[in-house]
Amino acid sequence: LAKTTQPISMDSYEGQEVNITCSHNNIATNDYITWYQQFPSQGPRFIIQGYKTKVTNEVASLFIPADRKSSTLSLPRVSLSDTAVYYCLVGDIGPPQTGANNLFFGTGTRLTVIP
Amino acid sequence: NAGVTQTPKFRILKIGQSMTLQCTQDMNHNYMYWYRQDPGMGLKLIYYSVGAGITDKGEVPNGYNVSRSTTEDFPLRLELAAPSQTSVYFCASSYLGSTGDGYTFGSGTRLTVV
Repeated sequence: LAKTTQPISMDSYEGQEVNITCSHNNIATNDYITWYQQFPSQGPRFIIQGYKTKVTNEVASLFIPADRKSSTLSLPRVSLSDTAVYYCLVGDIGPPQTGANNLFFGTGTRLTVIP
Repeated sequence: NAGVTQTPKFRILKIGQSMTLQCTQDMNHNYMYWYRQDPGMGLKLIYYSVGAGITDKGEVPNGYNVSRSTTEDFPLRLELAAPSQTSVYFCASSYLGSTGDGYTFGSGTRLTVV
């Protein structure tokens, strides 16, 4: 099973680009990589998902190297409202199964944006 | 669309009491989940369901029960509440497991057991 490892916390100043890396050395061929954002007192919110190379949407970019053993969530020009916990999940397509990686969120990375 | 709706938002239980946390989704998602989140911690999976009539245990199922009689509803039952069950409970649903648009979460139920 592909276990994920993320930094526990990160600080950044407003306006800077923030890169959060997730390690998943045992990722399987069919696994996708998904990132979620959680604000205090709210449920997590889907940010972005990818399989390989680069994915970009209106919120973030996701960079995945060729070996797919890690991924980097990039948040451009962060603001105070980006202060949140960011979770990286790895899992395959299809119905959930007990023990599957895509059901486990871990502790995430707590990003604090400083004025 | 309302998405995933959880009730109640807050509840205080005495030790030994029981209650049901309600969860309803209107997105016709087959898959539904219950997570708990203790202060400053990540989410832990309690139970999940891949369709009406089908449920399975997650990481921390002890002290909880679930049922899935319809596609829309996935209630979580706490029997004999204990202080260790003080937590925020999140219900979620998805269309394609973890892929596609991922999970849609409710706003949570904050439960305190005293």
